[in-house]
Amino acid sequence: EPEVTQTPSHQVTQMGQEVILRCVPISNHLYFYWYRQILGQKVEFLVSFYNNEISEKSEIFDDQFSVERPDGSNFTLKIRSTKLEDSAMYFCASSESPNRGDQPQHFGDGTRLSIL
Amino acid sequence: GEDVEQSLFLSVREGDSSVINCTYTDSSSTYLYWYKQEPGAGLQLLTYIFSNMDMKQDQRLTVLLNKKDKHLSLRIADTQTGDSAIYFCAESAAKSGGYNKLIFGAGTRLAVHP
Repeated sequence: EPEVTQTPSHQVTQMGQEVILRCVPISNHLYFYWYRQILGQKVEFLVSFYNNEISEKSEIFDDQFSVERPDGSNFTLKIRSTKLEDSAMYFCASSESPNRGDQPQHFGDGTRLSIL
Repeated sequence: GEDVEQSLFLSVREGDSSVINCTYTDSSSTYLYWYKQEPGAGLQLLTYIFSNMDMKQDQRLTVLLNKKDKHLSLRIADTQTGDSAIYFCAESAAKSGGYNKLIFGAGTRLAVHP
């Protein structure tokens, strides 16, 4: 069964450094998402992306965050200047369509980001 | 605003049924989902229910939806040790006009003991 893959599985970065988290969505999916889960807290929506532009973003997704689909297969999340509070598990997801339960979002295994 | 609440922990004996409960606030939600997370793994979709349905059954899983009370439950029949995981309830925030943003509960940790 096709799956969403994320790399790396664990990223350790110094505070203030830039970090790029990578995702390869399922190949025929057109809608892409990033979520994060701070340890002990809920999974929170960050951003959705379709047709090479952001469809919706949350309050968390400020100017320090950006997303990109640099080629036909990768979908990346960049944090420009990391803060301690960016430490979390980041999940990428993709779906064929935006609003149908029978075409739901499929999630990767996540990247654990640790900011020192 | 949109919110999803779940109990945090459930312990059951192997072979018994498990019932995980969830309440949500967004009455315009079109789909409600259950995801499973095993240790070190991502979020695996288990099942979903459309808001105009009351019940959905899929093998050992039964989802019940009480739209009036905004209450969703997941019943796992004949619970096995392999069912030990965190179970997340999620609703799709369709009214936001966005592309199927999911709002998650905090997750219920299911522990199955012999």
